[in-house]
Amino acid sequence: AQKVTQAQTEISVVEKEDVTLDCVYETRDTTYYLFWYKQPPSGELVFLIRRNSFDEQNEISGRYSWNFQKSTSSFNFTITASQVVDSAVYFCALSDPSRTGRRALTFGSGTRLQVQP
Amino acid sequence: DTGVSQDPRHKITKRGQNVTFRCDPISEHNRLYWYRQTLGQGPEFLTYFQNEAQLEKSRLLSDRFSAERPKGSFSTLEIQRTEQGDSAMYLCASSSYRVDTDTQYFGPGTRLTVL
Repeated sequence: AQKVTQAQTEISVVEKEDVTLDCVYETRDTTYYLFWYKQPPSGELVFLIRRNSFDEQNEISGRYSWNFQKSTSSFNFTITASQVVDSAVYFCALSDPSRTGRRALTFGSGTRLQVQP
Repeated sequence: DTGVSQDPRHKITKRGQNVTFRCDPISEHNRLYWYRQTLGQGPEFLTYFQNEAQLEKSRLLSDRFSAERPKGSFSTLEIQRTEQGDSAMYLCASSSYRVDTDTQYFGPGTRLTVL
């Protein structure tokens, strides 16, 4: 069965600090996809990144970077020089359609990030 | 290019009433999903359509829930005989393998409160 664990329920940092959000996943499939979504106070889930299981290259997009390590089943998300606008709940999600055909996303419980000015 | 839209954004109803929500996906997306999110939790999958065919249903989708996508465009989610436990945010998402390798894009959600 698929499972996504985000052990950090809430993180509070001061603006300009770097912060890393942890995500650990479980799946029996060899082909799967990992995602990060942002949910600001307005409530709408905003897509940030998609990574497939064959691509372990880390990715950087502006102040955001992602570290994918299959050996530890982790897909961590780092925000560099955090800003108040980064305050939101961040969700890690897993999709593993290759064997079962299931297209549903399995979400973690989320990490609430508060960036203080 | 408009995103996923949902209507209504908020719904307050009394226990036992029926409610219906609508989702309009991104126009070129052929796949549509419904999720439910309760306070402090991540979204939980309810059901998925490819065009007009409902291909997957979660065990969370009890007999009181029904979803349709009659012409492969918009979708409706109906809850009959609502219960207080149905209070949640109902999220709709759409995707297309051809357009963006099946990444799911979400709408703003419909927040349901059952009194």
